[in-house]
Amino acid sequence: SAVISQKPSRDICQRGTSLTIQCQVDSQVTMMFWYRQQPGQSLTLIATANQGSEATYESGFVIDKFPISRPNLTFSTLTVSNMSPEDSSIYLCSGGTGGGYTFGSGTRLTVV
Amino acid sequence: AQSVTQPDIHITVSEGASLELRCNYSYGATPYLFWYVQSPGQGLQLLLKYFSGDTLVQGIKGFEAEFKRSQSSFNLRKPSVHWSDAAEYFCAVGAPGTSYDKVIFGPGTSLSVIP
Repeated sequence: SAVISQKPSRDICQRGTSLTIQCQVDSQVTMMFWYRQQPGQSLTLIATANQGSEATYESGFVIDKFPISRPNLTFSTLTVSNMSPEDSSIYLCSGGTGGGYTFGSGTRLTVV
Repeated sequence: AQSVTQPDIHITVSEGASLELRCNYSYGATPYLFWYVQSPGQGLQLLLKYFSGDTLVQGIKGFEAEFKRSQSSFNLRKPSVHWSDAAEYFCAVGAPGTSYDKVIFGPGTSLSVIP
């Protein structure tokens, strides 16, 4: 299975600012996914990132708030824009092929 | 679109007792099914997965799960629980053959283990 390195592992940000989260995969993967895990909750899929095309966002998530890049088959970024305290969550990336997905260790974001 | 439910929000078992965590899914065909574990402050770890074939799947840490198509279930079991198994457990479902093959997570079951 692929190994995913995610950074930063945690950050504390001021409201109104933006944070970019990076995920690096140790092998080429077809699909990458971004999830949000709010405190005490399950994982909610934000978007699916396919290389060379725009990300596909789930209901309730928009590109202006969560722009995603996928420049190649081993890398993706998620930006959380114009942050508010409600954006405080753990953000996780996932990648793989054919349904065999692994996860990054997550980014714990606190917005103050 | 696929969906998954985990009927038990929280379960408490004694160390050494057997465990079964329930998972039910909704999908029009045979889905991909996963169980993940998340320990406090830790990342997600894949316990096991089902794609096809033998409906009884063995995973890591002594866990197993059984896919039952007639019941749309994929329950996780362990014959003897250890205190270190206390964690949050997530069942997840993928949709093979769709455009994006995304994986959707259930709400999770929190497991407490009494020494």
